[in-house]
Amino acid sequence: GQQLNQSPQSMFIQEGEDVSMNCTSSSIFNTWLWYKQDPGEGPVLLIALYKAGELTSNGRLTAQFGITRKDSFLNISASIPSDVGIYFCAGQETQGGSEKLVFGKGTKLTVNP
Amino acid sequence: DTGVSQDPRHKITKRGQNVTFRCDPISEHNRLYWYRQTLGQGPEFLTYFQNEAQLEKSRLLSDRFSAERPKGSFSTLEIQRTEQGDSAMYLCASSPRGLGGNTIYFGEGSWLTVV
Repeated sequence: GQQLNQSPQSMFIQEGEDVSMNCTSSSIFNTWLWYKQDPGEGPVLLIALYKAGELTSNGRLTAQFGITRKDSFLNISASIPSDVGIYFCAGQETQGGSEKLVFGKGTKLTVNP
Repeated sequence: DTGVSQDPRHKITKRGQNVTFRCDPISEHNRLYWYRQTLGQGPEFLTYFQNEAQLEKSRLLSDRFSAERPKGSFSTLEIQRTEQGDSAMYLCASSPRGLGGNTIYFGEGSWLTVV
């Protein structure tokens, strides 16, 4: 099925560093969601974006809905060890009133203490 | 616990057997979704319900798969004549209303291993 282009695939950083990851699509989305998933668990919602250009923060996390509606980024500031996990972007397509979410393949984040 | 609840969390079955997963959404959420996730991939949409009505189905949902939400509360996902390719985590999610203004919350998933 269709998937978003999410990059980078993996990141290895030192504790305290800032992190940036992004997603792009050839399709226009009207909703972008960012999730974090720990091994063996379901995705946990971090940030939801509903308007083009919207910039939203949740603690050390900041995400933006691209103006073209085809991209989004997630920044994590001052990373800590518990930030380790896989981060997924997800977009809702606009066609036909579908409620299907399309997910990226994830960015695996490793934080070295 | 008021989150999305899934049962069982883990299931190992022999090829050809039938399996059923149950999902209890967050109370009063009228939208319920099923997704499938394999290792190294993001979740893939299978189907969704608004109350008891199944409104959207993915092409991934073959004839061996059936989902129900008979009373608009809990849902079941049944896989008949399982194949090794069905091995995956099956995720349920719920939302108080449609996307485009609200959020979707996932359960912890049900792992299926077909041997």
